[in-house]
Amino acid sequence: DTGVSQDPRHKITKRGQNVTFRCDPISEHNRLYWYRQTLGQGPEFLTYFQNEAQLEKSRLLSDRFSAERPKGSFSTLEIQRTEQGDSAMYLCASSFSMTGLSYGYTFGSGTRLTVV
Amino acid sequence: LAKTTQPISMDSYEGQEVNITCSHNNIATNDYITWYQQFPSQGPRFIIQGYKTKVTNEVASLFIPADRKSSTLSLPRVSLSDTAVYYCLVENSGTYKYIFGTGTRLKVLA
Repeated sequence: DTGVSQDPRHKITKRGQNVTFRCDPISEHNRLYWYRQTLGQGPEFLTYFQNEAQLEKSRLLSDRFSAERPKGSFSTLEIQRTEQGDSAMYLCASSFSMTGLSYGYTFGSGTRLTVV
Repeated sequence: LAKTTQPISMDSYEGQEVNITCSHNNIATNDYITWYQQFPSQGPRFIIQGYKTKVTNEVASLFIPADRKSSTLSLPRVSLSDTAVYYCLVENSGTYKYIFGTGTRLKVLA
């Protein structure tokens, strides 16, 4: 297992276009998270999956954002009608937990989105 | 979740030991303290996690006093490659998400 993979690494899109990012977590991990990070700030929580169930979606996520994790495996994050304010690094992380405590996340390298 | 407070930035020289202290005055009984490291254009990387006293791994040590209201991440003999942002977080079994602050930007000088 090579860790958490994110694709693409970089995406440049025109304002108003739709974009989709993919995350492949560590296969044994049952939890998957999406975070967004802008320059100079720490990562901000976007959404969380326990297996295939999306259990929380941050208020930061407008209706233009949607995430899925079919069959509890890979996940996709789609942004519709992109805006310049969506420009950021989008990070995916996974972890394993049976008791609640995660013992640390494994993050991917992120997808850098630039909206022009 | 307890709010954490840590210095915005620190400078150090190669070969020195670096200690980064994090304050978490409202830590709860079931909270654990976790530290992450982040390099530019990469996701954060888990460094160490502890509940009380001292935890050591191949990368760092984590010191937590008896009252657990603060913790100190200790990096022995830093090198230029330790230049990064370090985040202190608290987590408990009821937590499924981390709340990141702005972290501590450590710059190691030659």
